[in-house]
Amino acid sequence: DQQVKQNSPSLSVQEGRISILNCDYTNSMFDYFLWYKKYPAEGPTFLISISSIKDKNEDGRFTVFLNKSAKHLSLHIVPSQPGDSAVYFCAASALGAGNMLTFGGGTRLMVKP
Amino acid sequence: DGGITQSPKYLFRKEGQNVTLSCEQNLNHDAMYWYRQDPGQGLRLIYYSQIVNDFQKGDIAEGYSVSREKKESFPLTVTSAQKNPTAFYLCASSTDITGELFFGEGSRLTVL
Repeated sequence: DQQVKQNSPSLSVQEGRISILNCDYTNSMFDYFLWYKKYPAEGPTFLISISSIKDKNEDGRFTVFLNKSAKHLSLHIVPSQPGDSAVYFCAASALGAGNMLTFGGGTRLMVKP
Repeated sequence: DGGITQSPKYLFRKEGQNVTLSCEQNLNHDAMYWYRQDPGQGLRLIYYSQIVNDFQKGDIAEGYSVSREKKESFPLTVTSAQKNPTAFYLCASSTDITGELFFGEGSRLTVL
């Protein structure tokens, strides 16, 4: 049973436009959420996180929104750039779970020039 | 520079052979993890270790073994019992506080 789901395996966006990547979770114990970005043949790198006490966290072009009642979070990239083309993983953890992250299946973002 | 080093980056193995993937970190992190990534799938946890000389099975531990004799090192052995070992393997480490994982660059194992 997948506790973290990214239902869109791929997303194509024009350069300069907004990219919205979505993530749903089922475990109500999750209280910390992260997004990782991964280029081919490289390890994922941390992008942005949000704790459950917030509903929005912004870092430059990247903003993560959390809707706890819907068990949904999204990553917004504005404006999208070709260098943003990568696979984005959503991850979640629960307090006291010892940093055990549960990952979604990833969404491949393609930003076209 | 602090970081996580995985080796080898590419590895080919014949069926029936065991192979060990190396993971070393100099971040002074207590926790270390091994994940596996298959095409079109998310990262799945193989084993993790919260402290030296202790480790726990993750979601897909069958056919794998690990050791944690030193804080800096967490090698993963892919045994011949692993039915489908061809994959991209990622090692990670973390502190106990932020929940953020720091990943190595990965090792791609291909079974011929």
